[in-house]
Amino acid sequence: QVQLVESGGGVVQPGRSLRLSCTASGFTFSSNGMHWVRQAPGKGLEWVALISYDGRSKFYADSVKGRFTISRDNSKNTVYLQMNSLRGEDTAVYYCAKSFCGRDCYLDYWGQGTLVTVSS
Amino acid sequence: DIQMTQSPSSLSASVGDRVTITCRASQSISSYLNWYQQKPGKAPKLLIYGASSLQSGVPSRFSGSGSGTDFTLTISSLQPEDFATYYCQQSYSNPQTFGQGTKVEVK
Repeated sequence: QVQLVESGGGVVQPGRSLRLSCTASGFTFSSNGMHWVRQAPGKGLEWVALISYDGRSKFYADSVKGRFTISRDNSKNTVYLQMNSLRGEDTAVYYCAKSFCGRDCYLDYWGQGTLVTVSS
Repeated sequence: DIQMTQSPSSLSASVGDRVTITCRASQSISSYLNWYQQKPGKAPKLLIYGASSLQSGVPSRFSGSGSGTDFTLTISSLQPEDFATYYCQQSYSNPQTFGQGTKVEVK
């Protein structure tokens, strides 16, 4: 069965960096795009970033563009989110999700999330 | 960027009620509209993709409709396990965006 396991969350000071990881199993990782989606405490879902199956195409939300970088290592079945210049408003649970694109595109499997708290 | 607006933001309903949630896109997104359900402390779960296709394993009381800018999620007969927050999401163009969510609460 498909499993996505995020790691790397924690408490970090404003302006510092953190790297999240998401390790996948149960499907052909190198054939699927991967997303990061976040949810601030008590708030709704915010789409953060998408990377294509081969890592060549990357897309970002305006709120993180220039500060966050999505990448992947298909040999390790892992997608990463490098977060730099962190701000208080980046405090959230960060989910990775598998992308399925056929006639339609959607996020069909999600991890359980990892909490990032930006605070001094 | 495409903005997604859901209404209402919350609603109160009883078991057995028919519930309708709407989602409006700021520009046409064809049928590239997905619906997710989220329960407290849990990851979102895909319900509907392509505006009207039911994800495998999702009960048939859930249905979706619409195209262009206006979309609807309907729960035909609300069950106790359906009290949750529902989100629409457009996959028409990047950056992809979610609606702000609709919380379905017990009346």
